[in-house]
Amino acid sequence: DGGITQSPKYLFRKEGQNVTLSCEQNLNHDAMYWYRQDPGQGLRLIYYSQIVNDFQKGDIAEGYSVSREKKESFPLTVTSAQKNPTAFYLCATRVGELGYTFGSGTRLTVV
Amino acid sequence: AQSVTQLDSQVPVFEEAPVELRCNYSSSVSVYLFWYVQYPNQGLQLLLKYLSGSTLVKGINGFEAEFNKSQTSFHLRKPSVHISDTAEYFCAVTQTSGSRLTFGEGTQLTVNP
Repeated sequence: DGGITQSPKYLFRKEGQNVTLSCEQNLNHDAMYWYRQDPGQGLRLIYYSQIVNDFQKGDIAEGYSVSREKKESFPLTVTSAQKNPTAFYLCATRVGELGYTFGSGTRLTVV
Repeated sequence: AQSVTQLDSQVPVFEEAPVELRCNYSSSVSVYLFWYVQYPNQGLQLLLKYLSGSTLVKGINGFEAEFNKSQTSFHLRKPSVHISDTAEYFCAVTQTSGSRLTFGEGTQLTVNP
């Protein structure tokens, strides 16, 4: 089945550590996105990529980094510079006007 | 730039009652509009979308929405809700020429027996 796989589903990180969230898709979609979700704040765009080897900052990029070396993969690294990383992270893809497809998310908790 | 306002953060209703979840948007150019549903600890599922054409859009699970350009609204409706409709609902907008999807803050729909 075509879809988006986010792993792991739950992730715990100690303060000061970097951690990488995985997002893999087999939909052959060009555009990929990372959103952060906090209670009562909806989804906020962190980074997005419309093509391999290219990506743009979203609204809350500080403390995050991404790469897009392959069409299928768009990993997100939460660095120690992100002051409040505990959140639910969602990866999405898009093709044309067909809308956006979302993964099942990764819940990151800083301990 | 575009923005979305969901006018109600929580909507409690009784089973089999009708419901309307309100969404207003702001944009200086043409837009596409979406409604998504999210169940706890899951991703977002597309309910319906407005791209062009008829302003009344029908989606999955008996939901529909009406695009009103003059009032810049895209309210979601269902004539009779079920317990299983309990979830968080997000309205979202993107410019027709753009790539970024902007979300509202979400509306928690709770259906009580």
